[in-house]
Amino acid sequence: GENVEQHPSTLSVQEGDSAVIKCTYSDSASNYFPWYKQELGKRPQLIIDIRSNVGEKKDQRIAVTLNKTAKHFSLHITETQPEDSAVYFCAARYSGNTPLVFGKGTRLSVIA
Amino acid sequence: DAGVIQSPRHEVTEMGQEVTLRCKPISGHNSLFWYRQTMMRGLELLIYFNNNVPIDDSGMPEDRFSAKMPNASFSTLKIQPSEPRDSAVYFCASTRGQTVNEQFFGPGTRLTVL
Repeated sequence: GENVEQHPSTLSVQEGDSAVIKCTYSDSASNYFPWYKQELGKRPQLIIDIRSNVGEKKDQRIAVTLNKTAKHFSLHITETQPEDSAVYFCAARYSGNTPLVFGKGTRLSVIA
Repeated sequence: DAGVIQSPRHEVTEMGQEVTLRCKPISGHNSLFWYRQTMMRGLELLIYFNNNVPIDDSGMPEDRFSAKMPNASFSTLKIQPSEPRDSAVYFCASTRGQTVNEQFFGPGTRLTVL
């Protein structure tokens, strides 16, 4: 089955700096790669996703890149703000009704 | 749309008691997932259903755990008997399925077993 590895487990950055979180996946059949943000005491919420027919996607300060050959994808947050502090999860899934397989999460702290 | 609904939001019980967690998926979604989240293990998939049918329950930790989905709008996760190590946040999530779509999480149930 699919296995998703996520690094780093914790990340601290100064406000205004960029943050990068990286994930690798094992199953070349996976074709959907979402990123979820979970604030303390709340549910995971989708912030951006990318499908296997696209190499990069951007939404304001957030971007995701996908390298299918190397089977890794990354989340980039630019101009970080204190409200970006949260746990971020990457995930991967086959097409169809199969479940998302999540990484272990990255705790991002943005220091003002 | 009200989103995925879970109840109760918090549950405190004593070891040995039966616990039932409830979930109502988003209307029109035909895939439902139960996850458990702890600091040590992160987000673990326990079981998932497609069109009310359990597809994979290999993540269910023990026979003490069981899940049902009697219809498209309701699912339960039951722990009997509960143990302190079951303490965690349990999330239900749903998706439209068939095509690759966003998975929506419920607010979770924080379970504490004393």
